[in-house]
Amino acid sequence: AQTVTQSQPEMSVQEAETVTLSCTYDTSESDYYLFWYKQPPSRQMILVIRQEAYKQQNATENRFSVNFQKAAKSFSLKISDSQLGDAAMYFCAYRSHQGGSEKLVFGKGMKLTVNP
Amino acid sequence: EAGVAQSPRYKIIEKRQSVAFWCNPISGHATLYWYQQILGQGPKLLIQFQNNGVVDDSQLPKDRFSAERLKGVDSTLKIQPAKLEDSAVYLCASSWERRTEAFFGQGTRLTVV
Repeated sequence: AQTVTQSQPEMSVQEAETVTLSCTYDTSESDYYLFWYKQPPSRQMILVIRQEAYKQQNATENRFSVNFQKAAKSFSLKISDSQLGDAAMYFCAYRSHQGGSEKLVFGKGMKLTVNP
Repeated sequence: EAGVAQSPRYKIIEKRQSVAFWCNPISGHATLYWYQQILGQGPKLLIQFQNNGVVDDSQLPKDRFSAERLKGVDSTLKIQPAKLEDSAVYLCASSWERRTEAFFGQGTRLTVV
């Protein structure tokens, strides 16, 4: 079974600074997707960025970028120019692209605080 | 485009009582998911529907949890009888098709006392 590990329960960053959130995963599959979701106090899970395992190029979405190391099974999220609205829980998630299982497997999450 | 709608937002019940949650997915989305998120953990899939058929319910505690998706649109998740450990946020998500982006609702926070 696939597992996702987020070892840092909390982090803080100063507004306008850069922060990196770490995530590791375990799988025997070669084809899969990785995601970072943001969950503000409203509880709604919001997709931040997605990476397809077969793509070597790291995904980027405006201020958000990932460092995908497939051999090391590492998937970190970098937030540049941090804003107060980035404060939330962040979850790393895995989804198989093989067979019939399409469920998202989430890590335990990490609370990000942005200080003004 | 309207998002995934869930109700109620909050529910407090006593153990051994029953409770039901409702989800209305984004219009046209064929795939619907129910996730359970216990405090301090990431969401865990309870059940996945494709139209009105079940794709995956391997982690649904079937002795007390049940779910249905009427006519492949709205869905209800029921717990009967509830236990203290069922206290959690129940998130509904939908996607256009299998293996496409899932959009989440705001969830229902259940407290069992």
